[in-house]
Amino acid sequence: SQTIHQWPATLVQPVGSPLSLECTVEGTSNPNLYWYRQAAGRGLQLLFYSVGIGQISSEVPQNLSASRPQDRQFILSSKKLLLSDSGFYLCAWSDGGNSPLHFGNGTRLTVT
Amino acid sequence: AQSVTQPDIHITVSEGASLELRCNYSYGATPYLFWYVQSPGQGLQLLLKYFSGDTLVQGIKGFEAEFKRSQSSFNLRKPSVHWSDAAEYFCAVGAHGTSYGKLTFGQGTILTVHP
Repeated sequence: SQTIHQWPATLVQPVGSPLSLECTVEGTSNPNLYWYRQAAGRGLQLLFYSVGIGQISSEVPQNLSASRPQDRQFILSSKKLLLSDSGFYLCAWSDGGNSPLHFGNGTRLTVT
Repeated sequence: AQSVTQPDIHITVSEGASLELRCNYSYGATPYLFWYVQSPGQGLQLLLKYFSGDTLVQGIKGFEAEFKRSQSSFNLRKPSVHWSDAAEYFCAVGAHGTSYGKLTFGQGTILTVHP
């Protein structure tokens, strides 16, 4: 069966520090991969998605970037964090077509 | 562009009572609709989905939802709520012709269950 791993679970970082969140998927090949951010009371916002290695689409302009160095690995990064980057970050995958999203357990990021 | 509105930010029900969570969407064609549930500090779990066909869809944990095109709604229901159903619920819409991961989510409804 397929599983998705996301780490770390929680992270506290100072303003201006770099960020790297990692997500890996097991049990499937060539998944679509996604990064969502969840801010309190604001639902989920799609940040990036990828349909293949090295293919990244950004949905909103921001201080973050994403990379997909391997088929089942998706990384969310920032060179310098802002206070507004605080939130709950969720990685997800799907097989495309009619398949729904499957989410990881998320990373709670607090920028201080 | 599509949008989703969940009018109720917070709902409180007693255990054993029936439940209905509202979801209204805006989309120019037939949408793909989903309900997800999120426990505190966790990711989202898919409860059910509507793509086409029968407008009443059954999901996991005894939940069902009905797609009503005329009302642009996809309300989630459960006949008898259990304490373990306390969580946050998200309705989401996807557009035809795009990757299914590009979902638009509502702001969520927090469900509290009283014993």
